[in-house]
Amino acid sequence: EVVLTQSPATLPLSPGERATLSCRASQSVSRHLAWYQQKPGQAPRLLIYDASKRATGIPARFSGSGSGTDFTLTISSLEAEDFAVYYCQQGSSWPLSFGGGTKVEIK
Amino acid sequence: EVQLLESGGGLVQPGGSLRLSCVVSGFTFSRNAMSWVRQPPGKGLEWVSGIGNSDADTYYRDSVKGRFTISRDSSKNTLYLQMNSLRAEDTAIYYCAKDILWWAFDFWGQGSLVSVSS
Repeated sequence: EVVLTQSPATLPLSPGERATLSCRASQSVSRHLAWYQQKPGQAPRLLIYDASKRATGIPARFSGSGSGTDFTLTISSLEAEDFAVYYCQQGSSWPLSFGGGTKVEIK
Repeated sequence: EVQLLESGGGLVQPGGSLRLSCVVSGFTFSRNAMSWVRQPPGKGLEWVSGIGNSDADTYYRDSVKGRFTISRDSSKNTLYLQMNSLRAEDTAIYYCAKDILWWAFDFWGQGSLVSVSS
């Protein structure tokens, strides 16, 4: 099973700051990596798929990069609605797997 | 508008069974891969099972193999998850999710809570 390790677990930042979230895979997943945002009581929302493609309706301040085993989600300037938990997920091999999540919280 | 609506969750005793349903609309269900993803209370996301656009292609995580069965009825636009021999560790919110590409999920249901307890 591909293990996805997200860091940091918690990221305290202020609105307007840049957020950089990391996801590292235990083996190569090529570019088959997605990022989701989840707020309390809500289903996850797809932000990025295929490592760097923005999903429909996702603002340009969200961007993804990486391939192989190292991936990054960047939020260029945090808005109030961006404080949430973020998960990465690989679609390269079975079983599919998610990272443990990074909580972006207000500093 | 794409919509996914789960039902069938509830409280069940260990060893019992439940069948989750996910009724979908707004896209061609028979042509899309689908998955079930669960989230234990207060914890992270865990993929459970998937079905490809060929119904013969089904996939499971090891901990549910032999106990859970994923299927679909395209005439009813409905995805199912039959869950047998339920354990306490299966307690979670269960989401159905639609694949966009390479098993990334662009649309999710609202979730259905399954509680396994005596």
